[in-house]
Amino acid sequence: SQKIEQNSEALNIQEGKTATLTCNYTNYSPAYLQWYRQDPGRGPVFLLLIRENEKEKRKERLKVTFDTTLKQSLFHITASQPADSATYLCAPGSARQLTFGSGTQLTVLP
Amino acid sequence: NAGVMQNPRHLVRRRGQEARLRCSPMKGHSHVYWYRQLPEEGLKFMVYLQKENIIDESGMPKERFSAEFPKEGPSILRIQQVVRGDSAAYFCASSPGASGSSDTQYFGPGTRLTVL
Repeated sequence: SQKIEQNSEALNIQEGKTATLTCNYTNYSPAYLQWYRQDPGRGPVFLLLIRENEKEKRKERLKVTFDTTLKQSLFHITASQPADSATYLCAPGSARQLTFGSGTQLTVLP
Repeated sequence: NAGVMQNPRHLVRRRGQEARLRCSPMKGHSHVYWYRQLPEEGLKFMVYLQKENIIDESGMPKERFSAEFPKEGPSILRIQQVVRGDSAAYFCASSPGASGSSDTQYFGPGTRLTVL
């Protein structure tokens, strides 16, 4: 069955550093992959979508890579801020069905 | 442009009662998805609907759960004869459905169901 693994349940970094979150998937060949942010008690908020034929995508301080050979996506937040503290969800998808990882809880320390 | 709306935000039911969760997609969106998030777990896909059609219900429990998206009005997720294990946050998402096989899904704030 499909399996999505996101790195370490919690990640703490110092303000200003780059946060790198990992998403690995098995038994799956997604056509695209989405990253979402979820704050406590709220619904996920879409951040970035990257397709299988794209290696890298950027949006402001965010960067996503997608390696279909390694079956892995990396999500980077540069110049991190305390406001970036949240749970980040990886969601590979195909034919409009998303499969979510359990998320990585990021805390940016001031 | 209002986002995805869900109501109620919180719902308390006793075992054996029915729960009805409503979702109004973003304006112009014709595709609706329901997900369930159990405490300390990730989002699990339940069902994908277009107007008047269920496209994929592979994540729906076989009994007690049903979903609809009528021609007029919101999408409804209905849970009959609720049990304590149904306590969870239920999220609805919508997408425009116009960009081929991949669509960004926009989520609502969720309905938190508590079964006593």
